[in-house]
Amino acid sequence: NAGVTQTPKFQVLKTGQSMTLQCAQDMNHNSMYWYRQDPGMGLRLIYYSASEGTTDKGEVPNGYNVSRLNKREFSLRLESAAPSQTSVYFCASSDFSNQPQHFGDGTRLSIL
Amino acid sequence: QQPVQSPQAVILREGEDAVINCSSSKALYSVHWYRQKHGEAPVFLMILLKGGEQKGHEKISASFNEKKQQSSLYLTASQLSYSGTYFCGTSSTGNQFYFGTGTSLTVIP
Repeated sequence: NAGVTQTPKFQVLKTGQSMTLQCAQDMNHNSMYWYRQDPGMGLRLIYYSASEGTTDKGEVPNGYNVSRLNKREFSLRLESAAPSQTSVYFCASSDFSNQPQHFGDGTRLSIL
Repeated sequence: QQPVQSPQAVILREGEDAVINCSSSKALYSVHWYRQKHGEAPVFLMILLKGGEQKGHEKISASFNEKKQQSSLYLTASQLSYSGTYFCGTSSTGNQFYFGTGTSLTVIP
């Protein structure tokens, strides 16, 4: 039971570099989410995809782009990384919107 | 939009009870509760929907007061395994979720 798989688990970038965080789920879920978690801030929604073919901004979308590649995969791209984007990034999926969310193990991203 | 959780932290002895509160300034459609252990991913506990009843399983239950835009999580006869950070997630539309900053719960022997 893989559930939600995120790659990579750790990454260090330099300011201005770009990278894509990958997320895949094998539960045939329709909805997928990207969150960032910073100390003392809880989880903040970056983007979500209610269903295949749709994406919408969350609470903190600036500096990020997403692609819902197919039903299984939802990627998050940082075009020009900034130190303020140092965080732990979680991908989650749910059967439909407003159903229990299943989280991946997270990607720990540091930007120097 | 971010819900407010209280208390921020609580320490319990095994067997004691705890209540964690979650309050929003917006009308709510649903409230989710999750628990996260250090260095791990959040794990779903329960969901409460507008018009729904109090939910629970085993010794963890929750209520949702739509009029007050509040939810409470009840942990009874706490066990060591209950330690972690509890988050409520709220939604007014069913899509956009806002999580609270968490309540750190520590259960000691």
